[in-house]
Amino acid sequence: QKEVEQNSGPLSVPEGAIASLNCTYSDRGSQSFFWYRQYSGKSPELIMFIYSNGDKEDGRFTAQLNKASQYVSLLIRDSQPSDSATYLCAVKIPNSGYALNFGKGTSLLVTP
Amino acid sequence: ETGVTQTPRHLVMGMTNKKSLKCEQHLGHNAMYWYKQSAKKPLELMFVYSLEERVENNSVPSRFSPECPNSSHLFLHLHTLQPEDSALYLCASSQKVQISGTGVREQYFGPGTRLTVT
Repeated sequence: QKEVEQNSGPLSVPEGAIASLNCTYSDRGSQSFFWYRQYSGKSPELIMFIYSNGDKEDGRFTAQLNKASQYVSLLIRDSQPSDSATYLCAVKIPNSGYALNFGKGTSLLVTP
Repeated sequence: ETGVTQTPRHLVMGMTNKKSLKCEQHLGHNAMYWYKQSAKKPLELMFVYSLEERVENNSVPSRFSPECPNSSHLFLHLHTLQPEDSALYLCASSQKVQISGTGVREQYFGPGTRLTVT
C-alpha cells in the first residue's frame, strides 16, 4: 500500500502565529490531495483540496503542492486556539475514481 | 452537519452479538464508504459502494458485512466481533469520478459510531 506520511506532533504554536503542517506521499501518480480537520471525538471535516502545483488560498488556510518533491502542506495564518485539532492529509489513489489514502494525522495545539 | 448521518452514535456489544450500523446521506452522492479509525492508526478504508459496484479492502475480516440497498443508505452488519474491533466507524459519501479522471470529488463524513466490543 502506498504511504502517506505525516509527523504526528504535537505541533505547538502560539496564538496569532503561522502553523505549518506537512505531508509526503509515495505514489508519484497521485493527483488530488485533501486536508481534513478532526477535533477530538469528532469525525473529519474537509478544509481544502488541491490538485495543481502551487498554492491555493482559502481564508486563513493555504494549501501548497509540490508534485516533483511529492509533498503537500497546509499553512494556517493567525492561528487560533479553536484551530487545535488533528489535521489529516489524504491522497486520492491513482486509477481509482474515489478511494483515498489517509495519513495518521498531525496534532496541532495553539496556545493562548 | 455534513448531510451524512449515522446511527447509533455509540454501541457496546458482546462478542457473540449481531448488530448493524446505519448510514444515510442526503447529498445526492453516488459513492458511499465505510472507514475504521483506531487509536494511533490512519483511517482504514473498509468498503466502497459506487453505482452498484462494491470494492472491499481484502484485509477486512468476514465478520464485517456491508449492505447498500440504494445510493442513499449503507449498512455495516457486525457479528462475532473481537475486542480489537473496538474503534470509531465512519461513513462517508462522495460523487464518483471516472477512474482516469483528475476531477476532485471530496468525501464528506458522518459523525461516526463509537463501537466497543466486550
